[in-house]
Amino acid sequence: GAGVSQSPSNKVTEKGKDVELRCDPISGHTALYWYRQSLGQGLEFLIYFQGNSAPDKSGLPSDRFSAERTGGSVSTLTIQRTQQEDSAVYLCASSSSRTGGFSSYNEQFFGPGTRLTVL
Amino acid sequence: AQSVTQLGSHVSVSEGALVLLRCNYSSSVPPYLFWYVQYPNQGLQLLLKYTTGATLVKGINGFEAEFKKSETSFHLTKPSAHMSDAAEYFCAVSEQYGGSQGNLIFGKGTKLSVKP
Repeated sequence: GAGVSQSPSNKVTEKGKDVELRCDPISGHTALYWYRQSLGQGLEFLIYFQGNSAPDKSGLPSDRFSAERTGGSVSTLTIQRTQQEDSAVYLCASSSSRTGGFSSYNEQFFGPGTRLTVL
Repeated sequence: AQSVTQLGSHVSVSEGALVLLRCNYSSSVPPYLFWYVQYPNQGLQLLLKYTTGATLVKGINGFEAEFKKSETSFHLTKPSAHMSDAAEYFCAVSEQYGGSQGNLIFGKGTKLSVKP
């Protein structure tokens, strides 16, 4: 399997609990993106990693959200004290480098997502 | 801020009919442009993209899109719909400048139904 994988595929949690969502990018991809897909907001960008570094965290919806990436590979998105409005599908994508800028285009490959339901 | 507008949250066509899904973007500097398809309970799959060069781009499954700078549009078409085209389609842009993170900005999506 050479694609982007995410785990778990589904997560049901109670309001107030913490959750961790995992993304395994395609091997060798230095850029990693997290997005959220919800009924009310559509597809929103959350955070971008180049290597282990996230230069801009302003896309995260609140300070309950955090993300890290270790070894330039696996990334974890953590949501603390979950709320019902956090219910959504969380998508991860990776590319060989960042997609835009003056560099040549690098396609983002998406994982299947983690469906989070907060009761 | 950059935005993407997709006209019509739902589009229904008959099998064999023309598919036209509309997308307009807001940037004065042409961004990179994409169409993605999402089948039920699946991730996003790239249909086609425009970065530079020819403004008419062809993608997978017989889809194509034309970049029109004067209209800030990137509409998706397919001459003849097939039942398997039923899915949700997302138009997206990515900004082209040195400091860009390269994140995609998506439209709200258009759900395509195909009637037999």
